[in-house]
Amino acid sequence: GAGVSQSPSNKVTEKGKDVELRCDPISGHTALYWYRQSLGQGLEFLIYFQGNSAPDKSGLPSDRFSAERTGGSVSTLTIQRTQQEDSAVYLCASRVTSGGTGELFFGEGSRLTVL
Amino acid sequence: AQRVTQPEKLLSVFKGAPVELKCNYSYSGSPELFWYVQYSRQRLQLLLRHISRESIKGFTADLNKGETSFHLKKPFAQEEDSAMYYCALSDRSARQLTFGSGTQLTVLP
Repeated sequence: GAGVSQSPSNKVTEKGKDVELRCDPISGHTALYWYRQSLGQGLEFLIYFQGNSAPDKSGLPSDRFSAERTGGSVSTLTIQRTQQEDSAVYLCASRVTSGGTGELFFGEGSRLTVL
Repeated sequence: AQRVTQPEKLLSVFKGAPVELKCNYSYSGSPELFWYVQYSRQRLQLLLRHISRESIKGFTADLNKGETSFHLKKPFAQEEDSAMYYCALSDRSARQLTFGSGTQLTVLP
């Protein structure tokens, strides 16, 4: 596709349920990022993938959060036993390589609402 | 640790007035600074980066290492500039891009 694609665009779930959010980066982009966008909190870094290297998970807020990237392309962010404070927009972004001045290209985000 | 501070959550100016969105950073090395913008119902996108020393849509930003600032400026604001603006920082080898909390700019007619 022409840009970063995320699905679902909206997800409403009940507290305690698990959710999976998907990101399809721009073809050829080796770096992939997940951010969480909350009102008044800005963009919170969650996790970063670069090629076949071990991911940088330093931003994951708890062990309920995990992510994987299969085949160096599509990534899935999983939130287990969701809590109301997990409600936010989850943004995925990709860029050609890690570091430096490469522009990040963002998806439209997945809006998660936990009831 | 690197940190980006945007002290203003909301900023309103009238059309034609100058606008300055403040950004301060904390980083011990040589940072690279960016401004990203999110217009209503659109994706977050890059506005400008300091190494390019460019002016995009009339906006400029100068890196001031002494004051550790990277304020975004435009001499004459337009209504279409209304958006959420995020300042971001990366070092040359870092894998993270650290964002500030954002400033919602509203340009009034």
